[in-house]
Amino acid sequence: GAVVSQHPSRVICKSGTSVKIECRSLDFQATTMFWYRQFPKQSLMLMATSNEGSKATYEQGVEKDKFLINHASLTLSTLTVTSAHPEDSSFYICSARDSRQGVVTPLHFGNGTRLTVT
Amino acid sequence: KQEVTQIPAALSVPEGENLVLNCSFTDSAIYNLQWFRQDPGKGLTSLLLIQSSQREQTSGRLNASLDKSSGRSTLYIAASQPGDSATYLCASTNTGNQFYFGTGTSLTVIP
Repeated sequence: GAVVSQHPSRVICKSGTSVKIECRSLDFQATTMFWYRQFPKQSLMLMATSNEGSKATYEQGVEKDKFLINHASLTLSTLTVTSAHPEDSSFYICSARDSRQGVVTPLHFGNGTRLTVT
Repeated sequence: KQEVTQIPAALSVPEGENLVLNCSFTDSAIYNLQWFRQDPGKGLTSLLLIQSSQREQTSGRLNASLDKSSGRSTLYIAASQPGDSATYLCASTNTGNQFYFGTGTSLTVIP
């Protein structure tokens, strides 16, 4: 089945540093990937839609200059948290759907990245 | 904007019991509805996807139903096992790309 690989699974960084999270579709192409954020005991909140070869679409309230998204190929999207602060500590999850099959196919998720900013 | 609600927020059942998780959504114009499982600190595992033209989907001990007109979906788990303990999330797709997630139901199956 379709697999989405997310790396790293855990990262601890100091305030002010930047962290890059990678999301790869391993056995399918994805022109669109999605980035979610999840706070403890809460559901997933869509942060942005990553579009291959063009700019990402950010949800209202998400700072595009803080959460940089790059979707340079059909199998890779990256989320960079710039100048991280403790309030950015959260669980970040990416997802993707096989572009060739469209909306009738399931959305597949990565295993998430636990970011802790000290 | 689509709003997805799940009831109950938490549920504890003894092993072997059948159970139903509920999901309701405000906008019935959906493309599909998907049920996920999330273990603590982990990502999401897709369980079942129901397309808007379908009424239900089954996989093993799981059965998901969809009633677009009433804005409801249910996930039925038969003969529950301790390994079923997890958070279950439903999500609807309206635009073909974006998912709207429910608040989740935390299930505990007691041995």
